[in-house]
Amino acid sequence: GAGVSQTPSNKVTEKGKYVELRCDPISGHTALYWYRQSLGQGPEFLIYFQGTGAADDSGLPNDRFFAVRPEGSVSTLKIQRTERGDSAVYLCASSLHGSSGGNTIYFGEGSWLTVV
Amino acid sequence: SQKIEQNSEALNIQEGKTATLTCNYTNYSPAYLQWYRQDPGRGPVFLLLIRENEKEKRKERLKVTFDTTLKQSLFHITASQPADSATYLCALASRSSASKIIFGSGTRLSIRP
Repeated sequence: GAGVSQTPSNKVTEKGKYVELRCDPISGHTALYWYRQSLGQGPEFLIYFQGTGAADDSGLPNDRFFAVRPEGSVSTLKIQRTERGDSAVYLCASSLHGSSGGNTIYFGEGSWLTVV
Repeated sequence: SQKIEQNSEALNIQEGKTATLTCNYTNYSPAYLQWYRQDPGRGPVFLLLIRENEKEKRKERLKVTFDTTLKQSLFHITASQPADSATYLCALASRSSASKIIFGSGTRLSIRP
């Protein structure tokens, strides 16, 4: 696709429910990133994939958060037993290769999650 | 602890003037530093990257400087326009973990006509 696509764009869920957020990276991009952004804050790193594998998942806040990228393209961020504090914008980004060489990173518009 | 600090107060500039935004970091050894623009309700958009061995980078009306001694980057927009109004984010990647890009909290810039 032309850009990074994220679905849903908005999600309201009840506390305790399970949520999946999907990211379609730019075609051919091997690197994929998930970030979380709260109001007035910068994006907070969650996880980085290179191909199918999670190269760095050190930003996942706890074991309720999990992400997969089984075929090296689309990725899903999964949140179990959602809490009100999980409410934020979840941003996905991709780059042609890993950013160790300083490749340009392209962000999607985000999935706005509200836990009530 | 590691920190990336940007001025949390909004910066208001008269159109046509140069806007200068500051990014300071502590306890990082950056391989490179990036600047992004973010409009309300949108994802960040990459603007410029500067590597640790570079002092200055320019792109059209944008200029970034990088001082690894002061641990600071400055981001300049010359001949500012109301369309430049947005939040500007500084981000860096450490040499030890160059694919993990960490963001500052951003500075909101407002250009008045």
